[in-house]
Amino acid sequence: GENVEQHPSTLSVQEGDSAVIKCTYSDSASNYFPWYKQELGKGPQLIIDIRSNVGEKKDQRIAVTLNKTAKHFSLHITETQPEDSAVYFCAAGALTFGSGTRLQVQP
Amino acid sequence: DTEVTQTPKHLVMGMTNKKSLKCEQHMGHRAMYWYKQKAKKPPELMFVYSYEKLSINESVPSRFSPECPNSSLLNLHLHALQPEDSALYLCASSQGTASLWGNTIYFGEGSWLTVV
Repeated sequence: GENVEQHPSTLSVQEGDSAVIKCTYSDSASNYFPWYKQELGKGPQLIIDIRSNVGEKKDQRIAVTLNKTAKHFSLHITETQPEDSAVYFCAAGALTFGSGTRLQVQP
Repeated sequence: DTEVTQTPKHLVMGMTNKKSLKCEQHMGHRAMYWYKQKAKKPPELMFVYSYEKLSINESVPSRFSPECPNSSLLNLHLHALQPEDSALYLCASSQGTASLWGNTIYFGEGSWLTVV
């Protein structure tokens, strides 16, 4: 089955810096890669997703890149703000999630 | 705000109790999901309903019993649970069939379950 690895497990940045979270997947048939943000006590919220026919997608301060050959995809957050602090999960489809990254943005 | 609504937000139950978690969506989605999430872990898929029919059961113990009364509602019936079943239970939905590789999934806020 599919396996998704996510790094780093924790990430601390200063407000205004960029943050990058990386995921790799094992099944070359996977074609949909969402990213979720989960704040304390809440359910995961979709923040951006990418499909395999696209290499990059941007939405304001958030971008996702996909390298199908290498089977990895990354989340980029620019100009980080304290409200970006949360746990971020990558996923391959609906079944397989990465282990999560706890992002802390220091004011 | 999520458009997938889950009730109750918190539930404490004894090991001999019978209780239910409820989920509702009005986005016209035809696939609905139950996930279980333990602290500091990612969500784990439990069940998938596609067009009100159970299409996936990820080897979940029979003390968890899902039900999909109609396309907008999804229940999870709980009976004889164990303390290790304490977790956040997440409902989610997606448009169209439950193709696990291409649908955008929308999660509810979850129901926190504590088994004592």
